Amino acid sequence: QPVLTQSPSASASLGASVKLTCTLSSGHRTNAIAWHQQQPEKGPQYLMKINSDGSHNKGDGIPDRFSGSSSGAERYLTISSLQSEDEGDYYCQTWDTGIRVFGGGTKLIVL
Amino acid sequence: EVQLVESGGGLVKPGGSLRLSCAASGFTFSHYNMNWVRQAPGKGLEWVSYISSGGTYTYYADSLKGRFTISRDNAKNSLYLQMNSLRADDTAVYYCAREYCNSNSCYSAFDYWGQGTLVTVSS
Repeated sequence: QPVLTQSPSASASLGASVKLTCTLSSGHRTNAIAWHQQQPEKGPQYLMKINSDGSHNKGDGIPDRFSGSSSGAERYLTISSLQSEDEGDYYCQTWDTGIRVFGGGTKLIVL
Repeated sequence: EVQLVESGGGLVKPGGSLRLSCAASGFTFSHYNMNWVRQAPGKGLEWVSYISSGGTYTYYADSLKGRFTISRDNAKNSLYLQMNSLRADDTAVYYCAREYCNSNSCYSAFDYWGQGTLVTVSS
């Protein structure tokens, strides 16, 4: 089954950009993944799906500040012009027949 | 507007049972695969179970060891999770989540989530 690896934490300044990484395990390098945002004390929200070729499909109402890309086994979420409301946890998710998988999450702190 | 509203959570003793519900609105429920996901206090997201749009196929996380059963009633636009033999480590917020599907393609990204219902297993 696929395994997703994320760094536990990241930080960046207000107005700056940050790039979060999700790494797929060996044997699943071509999997698409989805990124989800979870603001403090809220349920998760879908941000986008990213394919292995870097193409991505955003969720409804997701600002242009959020973008996705891909390189090898890594899938990226870039957030530009960071705002205070971007602070929270970010999870990547993938799937295979019979299973759905989450990464451990990255806690983003906006300084 | 797509809405998923979970209910049925609460305090239950170890070994007890609970049935969670998820009421769906704003979309044709019978067309979508659905999932349950949980989040223990201070922890990350953990996938629990999947059910296909027509209810034919179901999948579960290995860790559940047959204690949970997912089901749906498409006539009532509702998703359910029957939880038996509950343990302290089942304490979590439980979310229902829809998988993406449109006229062109379907894939297993969770594109809409509910706000969750808290299950506490404690004596």
